[in-house]
Amino acid sequence: DTGVSQDPRHKITKRGQNVTFRCDPISEHNRLYWYRQTLGQGPEFLTYFQNEAQLEKSRLLSDRFSAERPKGSFSTLEIQRTEQGDSAMYLCASSGQRGEKLFFGSGTQLSVL
Amino acid sequence: GIQVEQSPPDLILQEGANSTLRCNFSDSVNNLQWFHQNPWGQLINLFYIPSGTKQNGRLSATTVATERYSLLYISSSQTTDSGVYFCAANTGGFKTIFGAGTRLFVKA
Repeated sequence: DTGVSQDPRHKITKRGQNVTFRCDPISEHNRLYWYRQTLGQGPEFLTYFQNEAQLEKSRLLSDRFSAERPKGSFSTLEIQRTEQGDSAMYLCASSGQRGEKLFFGSGTQLSVL
Repeated sequence: GIQVEQSPPDLILQEGANSTLRCNFSDSVNNLQWFHQNPWGQLINLFYIPSGTKQNGRLSATTVATERYSLLYISSSQTTDSGVYFCAANTGGFKTIFGAGTRLFVKA
């Protein structure tokens, strides 16, 4: 068990470009979450997967954001036409069958120039 | 939705001192978790504590669910305890809601 893995660790992009982040949850966990954290704030919920099904999306997730979890394993979060306001740390977490204790990855720090 | 408030927002301690961090929540919770975010951004789960008291080394946590608050105690603080402490509450759905955090700095 290597924990939750996220890639890349850092991403710098120009406004208007598309970016994609990857999350590999703990292998036996069927629940996967994406959060966003801006400087000085706590993490904010973005979306939730149970196996491959996306069961909840926050209003924070605009039409430019899309998340997938094919085959209920790893997940990707794509941001299209990035804006400077998208600059943040994007965190992935997973939990086990009972959906209790959350385990977080190291996050992807996105900077949009 | 549920509101999660943490106090104090900032805390500076001398190494060896004890401290208490507080988390108030506005609704009944299904679970309550405490996390430590280190200076590199990694969130570490310290406690899963919907009610009662738990201890882990120099850290302990108590949640009084009927009064809608939780406390995190840090004893004999060390410089490595520095970082941000978050509490996070879940009311039974898919979302876990985080407070704004308590930023702790422990001086050597």
